[in-house]
Amino acid sequence: QVQLVQSGDEVKKPGASVKLSCKAPGYTFTRDGIIWVRQAPGQGLEWMGWISTKNHNTKYAQRVQDRVTLTKDSSTSSTIYLEMRGLRFDDTAIYYCARGRGLSWFDPWGQGTRVTVSS
Amino acid sequence: QSALIQPASVSESPGQSITISCAGTGSDIGGSDSVSWYQQHPGKAPKLVIYDVIDRPAGVSSRFSGSKSGNTASLTISGLQAEDEATYYCCSYSNIATVVFGGGTKVTVL
Repeated sequence: QVQLVQSGDEVKKPGASVKLSCKAPGYTFTRDGIIWVRQAPGQGLEWMGWISTKNHNTKYAQRVQDRVTLTKDSSTSSTIYLEMRGLRFDDTAIYYCARGRGLSWFDPWGQGTRVTVSS
Repeated sequence: QSALIQPASVSESPGQSITISCAGTGSDIGGSDSVSWYQQHPGKAPKLVIYDVIDRPAGVSSRFSGSKSGNTASLTISGLQAEDEATYYCCSYSNIATVVFGGGTKVTVL
């Protein structure tokens, strides 16, 4: 049973960058898709992007596509990264990764990483 | 504003049934069988309860069922239990935005 473990909480200043990780201990991503979803305080789920671990193809939500990059660690093949640049106050949220069956459905989910953007 | 429209809240007594609607368009729900539903308890990560419109993952109670008609998907929970109290999100593949979520429906068991 695959489990996704995400990196620890982050506090950043506006304009800074953050890089979050999503790891599957003991599992090698080869044919999966990984999505990232965020949830602002008291709000719903917002899809941010998707990466194919097979060919590294990516898709991004229009709202964040200029500031977000998804990558796969080529050395371990078990870690996916989300990097976000130019952080704004409204990027404050819990960021989740999840394994995708293509872009159809997502399971399991990581435990989430809280990112706080504060001056 | 979310791309898929769900009621903000639904309340019902234990043992009863509820149905949560999720309204989309022909570009997402109406044009795709990739509709899924997620259950989220406070402070927890979402959990898949329905995928591909009607299928249930192993370990999910048979009290959960999904359906679709036109541009609207639905999640039905029968025999409501206290543990079902959570927020439920629908999700669909979209040929415009790729993946879209509903705004979430908070289910309260009275």
